[in-house]
Amino acid sequence: AQSVTQLDSHVSVSEGTPVLLRCNYSSSYSPSLFWYVQHPNKGLQLLLKYTSAATLVKGINGFEAEFKKSETSFHLTKPSAHMSEAAEYFCVVSDWEYGNKLVFGAGTILRVKS
Amino acid sequence: EAQVTQNPRYLITVTGKKLTVTCSQNMNHEYMSWYRQDPGLGLRQIYYSMNVEVTDKGDVPEGYKVSRKEKRNFPLILESPSPNQTSLYFCASSLSQNSYNEQFFGPGTRLTVL
Repeated sequence: AQSVTQLDSHVSVSEGTPVLLRCNYSSSYSPSLFWYVQHPNKGLQLLLKYTSAATLVKGINGFEAEFKKSETSFHLTKPSAHMSEAAEYFCVVSDWEYGNKLVFGAGTILRVKS
Repeated sequence: EAQVTQNPRYLITVTGKKLTVTCSQNMNHEYMSWYRQDPGLGLRQIYYSMNVEVTDKGDVPEGYKVSRKEKRNFPLILESPSPNQTSLYFCASSLSQNSYNEQFFGPGTRLTVL
Protein backbone atom coordinates (compact mmCIF):
# COMPACT_ATOMS: atom_id res chain seq x y z
CA ALA A 1 0.00 0.00 0.00
CA GLN A 2 0.99 3.54 -0.55
CA SER A 3 1.47 6.08 2.22
CA VAL A 4 2.98 9.50 2.73
CA THR A 5 4.41 10.99 5.91
CA GLN A 6 5.07 14.68 6.14
CA LEU A 7 7.44 14.95 9.03
CA ASP A 8 6.45 18.44 10.19
CA SER A 9 2.91 19.68 10.62
CA HIS A 10 4.14 23.30 10.91
CA VAL A 11 7.30 25.00 9.70
CA SER A 12 8.17 28.61 10.49
CA VAL A 13 10.92 30.53 8.65
CA SER A 14 11.95 34.14 8.27
CA GLU A 15 11.53 35.82 4.94
CA GLY A 16 14.64 35.36 2.80
CA THR A 17 15.81 32.20 4.58
CA PRO A 18 15.75 28.66 3.15
CA VAL A 19 12.70 26.44 3.27
CA LEU A 20 12.79 22.68 3.85
CA LEU A 21 9.56 20.67 3.96
CA ARG A 22 10.16 16.98 4.58
CA CYS A 23 8.30 14.08 3.03
CA ASN A 24 8.78 10.32 3.22
CA TYR A 25 6.73 7.90 1.17
CA SER A 26 5.98 4.23 0.90
CA SER A 27 5.03 2.63 -2.40
CA SER A 28 5.37 -0.84 -3.85
CA TYR A 29 6.64 0.07 -7.29
CA SER A 30 8.00 3.12 -9.02
CA PRO A 31 5.91 5.98 -7.78
CA SER A 32 5.08 9.36 -9.15
CA LEU A 33 5.51 12.04 -6.54
CA PHE A 34 4.02 15.49 -6.38
CA TRP A 35 4.05 18.58 -4.23
CA TYR A 36 0.89 20.66 -4.19
CA VAL A 37 0.35 24.01 -2.47
CA GLN A 38 -2.91 25.30 -1.06
CA HIS A 39 -3.23 28.97 -0.23
CA PRO A 40 -5.93 29.98 2.27
CA ASN A 41 -9.42 29.51 0.84
CA LYS A 42 -8.04 28.35 -2.49
CA GLY A 43 -7.82 25.11 -4.41
CA LEU A 44 -4.66 23.05 -4.84
CA GLN A 45 -1.94 24.05 -7.27
CA LEU A 46 0.80 21.75 -8.53
CA LEU A 47 4.30 22.91 -7.58
CA LEU A 48 6.29 20.10 -9.14
CA LYS A 49 6.24 16.41 -9.96
CA TYR A 50 8.66 13.49 -10.22
CA THR A 51 7.87 10.82 -12.79
CA SER A 52 11.06 8.68 -13.03
CA ALA A 53 13.14 11.12 -15.05
CA ALA A 54 15.72 13.36 -13.34
CA THR A 55 15.84 12.88 -9.59
CA LEU A 56 16.19 16.61 -8.94
CA VAL A 57 12.94 18.21 -9.96
CA LYS A 58 12.48 21.93 -10.47
CA GLY A 59 9.07 23.46 -10.03
CA ILE A 60 7.40 26.82 -10.14
CA ASN A 61 8.58 29.85 -8.16
CA GLY A 62 12.04 28.45 -7.43
CA PHE A 63 10.92 25.32 -5.56
CA GLU A 64 12.87 22.10 -5.98
CA ALA A 65 12.56 18.54 -4.70
CA GLU A 66 14.95 15.64 -4.82
CA PHE A 67 13.78 12.06 -5.19
CA LYS A 68 15.94 9.75 -3.07
CA LYS A 69 14.86 6.17 -3.54
CA SER A 70 17.28 4.77 -0.94
CA GLU A 71 15.79 7.06 1.69
CA THR A 72 12.23 6.96 0.27
CA SER A 73 12.18 10.73 0.57
CA PHE A 74 11.01 13.63 -1.56
CA HIS A 75 11.82 16.78 0.40
CA LEU A 76 10.79 20.19 -0.91
CA THR A 77 13.27 23.05 -0.75
CA LYS A 78 13.61 26.66 -1.70
CA PRO A 79 16.67 28.85 -1.13
CA SER A 80 14.77 31.96 -0.04
CA ALA A 81 11.24 32.17 1.35
CA HIS A 82 8.80 34.89 0.41
CA MET A 83 5.85 36.10 2.46
CA SER A 84 3.45 35.10 -0.33
CA GLU A 85 4.50 31.48 0.07
CA ALA A 86 2.84 31.09 3.45
CA ALA A 87 0.40 28.26 2.73
CA GLU A 88 -0.22 24.58 3.30
CA TYR A 89 1.91 22.15 1.32
CA PHE A 90 0.98 18.57 0.49
CA CYS A 91 3.28 15.76 -0.56
CA VAL A 92 1.45 13.24 -2.72
CA VAL A 93 2.29 9.78 -4.08
CA SER A 94 0.66 8.02 -7.00
CA ASP A 95 1.35 4.67 -8.59
CA TRP A 96 0.03 2.92 -11.71
CA GLU A 97 -0.49 -0.16 -9.61
CA TYR A 98 -3.17 1.73 -7.70
CA GLY A 99 -4.92 3.31 -10.68
CA ASN A 100 -3.58 6.86 -10.43
CA LYS A 101 -5.02 7.23 -6.98
CA LEU A 102 -3.38 10.12 -5.20
CA VAL A 103 -2.41 9.48 -1.60
CA PHE A 104 -1.90 12.70 0.31
CA GLY A 105 0.24 13.47 3.29
CA ALA A 106 -1.42 15.30 6.18
CA GLY A 107 0.08 18.61 5.06
CA THR A 108 2.68 21.06 6.33
CA ILE A 109 1.68 24.60 7.14
CA LEU A 110 4.45 27.02 6.22
CA ARG A 111 4.60 30.28 8.09
CA VAL A 112 6.88 33.04 6.79
CA LYS A 113 7.83 35.76 9.25
CA SER A 114 8.83 39.24 8.18
CA GLU B 1 -9.36 28.87 -19.83
CA ALA B 2 -8.78 25.26 -18.80
CA GLN B 3 -10.45 24.71 -15.47
CA VAL B 4 -12.44 22.58 -13.08
CA THR B 5 -15.50 24.29 -11.65
CA GLN B 6 -17.57 23.32 -8.63
CA ASN B 7 -20.90 24.58 -7.38
CA PRO B 8 -21.86 25.68 -4.87
CA ARG B 9 -18.70 26.98 -3.23
CA TYR B 10 -20.32 27.16 0.17
CA LEU B 11 -23.32 25.26 1.49
CA ILE B 12 -24.98 25.00 4.87
CA THR B 13 -27.69 22.37 5.16
CA VAL B 14 -29.46 20.21 7.70
CA THR B 15 -29.21 16.52 8.44
CA GLY B 16 -31.08 14.35 5.96
CA LYS B 17 -31.70 16.92 3.24
CA LYS B 18 -30.43 15.54 -0.06
CA LEU B 19 -27.89 17.67 -1.87
CA THR B 20 -25.74 17.58 -4.99
CA VAL B 21 -22.40 19.26 -5.55
CA THR B 22 -21.66 19.70 -9.23
CA CYS B 23 -18.26 19.39 -10.88
CA SER B 24 -17.42 20.20 -14.47
CA GLN B 25 -14.17 20.25 -16.45
CA ASN B 26 -13.50 21.71 -19.89
CA MET B 27 -10.27 19.84 -20.69
CA ASN B 28 -11.79 16.65 -22.14
CA HIS B 29 -10.24 14.66 -19.30
CA GLU B 30 -11.13 11.02 -18.89
CA TYR B 31 -10.33 10.69 -15.19
CA MET B 32 -12.26 12.55 -12.51
CA SER B 33 -12.26 12.22 -8.77
CA TRP B 34 -13.77 13.58 -5.55
CA TYR B 35 -11.82 14.21 -2.36
CA ARG B 36 -12.67 15.49 1.06
CA GLN B 37 -10.22 17.49 3.14
CA ASP B 38 -10.27 17.39 6.92
CA PRO B 39 -7.73 19.02 9.26
CA GLY B 40 -4.71 16.84 9.92
CA LEU B 41 -5.84 14.18 7.44
CA GLY B 42 -4.88 15.71 4.11
CA LEU B 43 -7.20 14.83 1.23
CA ARG B 44 -8.94 11.49 1.04
CA GLN B 45 -10.52 10.09 -2.09
CA ILE B 46 -14.27 9.50 -2.03
CA TYR B 47 -15.02 8.21 -5.54
CA TYR B 48 -13.35 8.28 -8.89
CA SER B 49 -14.29 7.74 -12.52
CA MET B 50 -12.02 6.51 -15.28
CA ASN B 51 -14.47 7.42 -18.03
CA VAL B 52 -18.14 7.84 -18.84
CA GLU B 53 -20.31 5.32 -16.97
CA VAL B 54 -17.23 3.94 -15.13
CA THR B 55 -17.05 4.82 -11.44
CA ASP B 56 -15.48 3.19 -8.40
CA LYS B 57 -15.12 3.72 -4.68
CA GLY B 58 -12.19 5.48 -3.13
CA ASP B 59 -11.12 5.33 0.49
CA VAL B 60 -14.15 6.96 2.12
CA PRO B 61 -17.23 6.32 -0.06
CA GLU B 62 -19.83 5.75 2.68
CA GLY B 63 -22.72 8.19 2.47
CA TYR B 64 -21.88 9.42 -1.02
CA LYS B 65 -22.96 8.63 -4.57
CA VAL B 66 -21.63 9.75 -7.92
CA SER B 67 -22.56 9.48 -11.56
CA ARG B 68 -20.70 10.04 -14.82
CA LYS B 69 -23.20 10.35 -17.64
CA GLU B 70 -21.13 12.86 -19.59
CA LYS B 71 -17.39 13.17 -19.84
CA ARG B 72 -17.25 16.72 -18.52
CA ASN B 73 -19.50 16.33 -15.45
CA PHE B 74 -19.06 14.35 -12.26
CA PRO B 75 -21.61 15.31 -9.59
CA LEU B 76 -21.30 14.25 -5.95
CA ILE B 77 -24.58 13.31 -4.28
CA LEU B 78 -25.28 13.13 -0.57
CA GLU B 79 -28.62 11.35 -0.24
CA SER B 80 -28.96 11.91 3.50
CA PRO B 81 -26.20 14.18 4.79
CA SER B 82 -24.97 13.83 8.35
CA PRO B 83 -22.82 16.15 10.49
CA ASN B 84 -19.72 13.94 9.97
CA GLN B 85 -19.86 14.91 6.31
CA THR B 86 -19.09 18.49 7.18
CA SER B 87 -15.88 19.03 5.26
CA LEU B 88 -14.14 20.76 2.37
CA TYR B 89 -14.70 18.91 -0.89
CA PHE B 90 -12.53 19.00 -3.99
CA CYS B 91 -13.20 17.72 -7.46
CA ALA B 92 -10.20 16.90 -9.66
CA SER B 93 -9.59 15.73 -13.21
CA SER B 94 -6.68 14.43 -15.24
CA LEU B 95 -6.06 13.35 -18.79
CA SER B 96 -6.18 9.66 -18.04
CA GLN B 97 -5.67 7.08 -15.35
CA ASN B 98 -1.90 7.19 -15.88
CA SER B 99 -0.18 8.10 -12.63
CA TYR B 100 2.18 10.48 -14.46
CA ASN B 101 -0.66 12.84 -15.21
CA GLU B 102 -1.15 15.91 -13.09
CA GLN B 103 -4.57 16.23 -11.52
CA PHE B 104 -6.27 19.61 -11.80
CA PHE B 105 -8.34 20.64 -8.82
CA GLY B 106 -11.47 22.70 -8.54
CA PRO B 107 -11.72 25.59 -6.04
CA GLY B 108 -13.44 23.50 -3.37
CA THR B 109 -16.89 23.36 -1.79
CA ARG B 110 -17.18 23.99 1.91
CA LEU B 111 -20.12 21.98 3.26
CA THR B 112 -21.60 22.32 6.73
CA VAL B 113 -24.25 19.84 7.86
CA LEU B 114 -26.16 20.91 10.99
